[in-house]
Amino acid sequence: SYVLTQPPSVSVAPGKTATITCGGENIGSKSVHWYQQRPGQAPVLVMYYDSDRPSQIPERFSGSNSGNTATLIINRVEAGDEADYYCQVWDGGSDHPVLFGGGTMVTVL
Amino acid sequence: QLVESGGGLVQPGGSLRLSCAASGMKFSDYGMIWVRQAPGKGLEWLSYIGSRSSSIYYADSVRGRCTMSRDNAQSLLFLQMSSLRVEDTAIYYCAKSLGSYFDLWGRGTLVTVSS
Repeated sequence: SYVLTQPPSVSVAPGKTATITCGGENIGSKSVHWYQQRPGQAPVLVMYYDSDRPSQIPERFSGSNSGNTATLIINRVEAGDEADYYCQVWDGGSDHPVLFGGGTMVTVL
Repeated sequence: QLVESGGGLVQPGGSLRLSCAASGMKFSDYGMIWVRQAPGKGLEWLSYIGSRSSSIYYADSVRGRCTMSRDNAQSLLFLQMSSLRVEDTAIYYCAKSLGSYFDLWGRGTLVTVSS
């Protein structure tokens, strides 16, 4: 079965850039979506179809996807960006179509 | 918005029916999913149902123990869970599907399985 691999944690200083990766075999051929989950809150969609941003998400958030790695980038990191981030793909050829990565905890130093 | 309910404390082997009430949207137009999050763990997809209930999928961890259904007339989503185990303890979220991603999530309902 398809597996999405994320680093457990990423630490970044305020004002710097956070890079969160999501690895999967030939993930570049799939659409990758990203969710932010702040402590004690429900997940929120922050990126869809690799690099599209919902209107309420700041432009500081961007995404890319190629080869075996999809990436969520947060520029000019703020304290409020501290959260868990999950990547997700839809495997249309499977009867387990929804797959989440294990999540990455972003800590703002 | 989406509002889950029906969680609570249940003994191992017991049953529970979770509900998800949708408002402010044409519920019957969208597929829906259930996702859970065990304490300190990541998101785990449980089940998906198409807009007209023609497609329903389950994760292996709940297949045979859970039944997902919906009532489009009442804008309600359900997850009937049985033979509950301690490891089913989690916050259960419903979410709305827009194609292959999920743009609206409820706040979750806590299910605790303990004797």
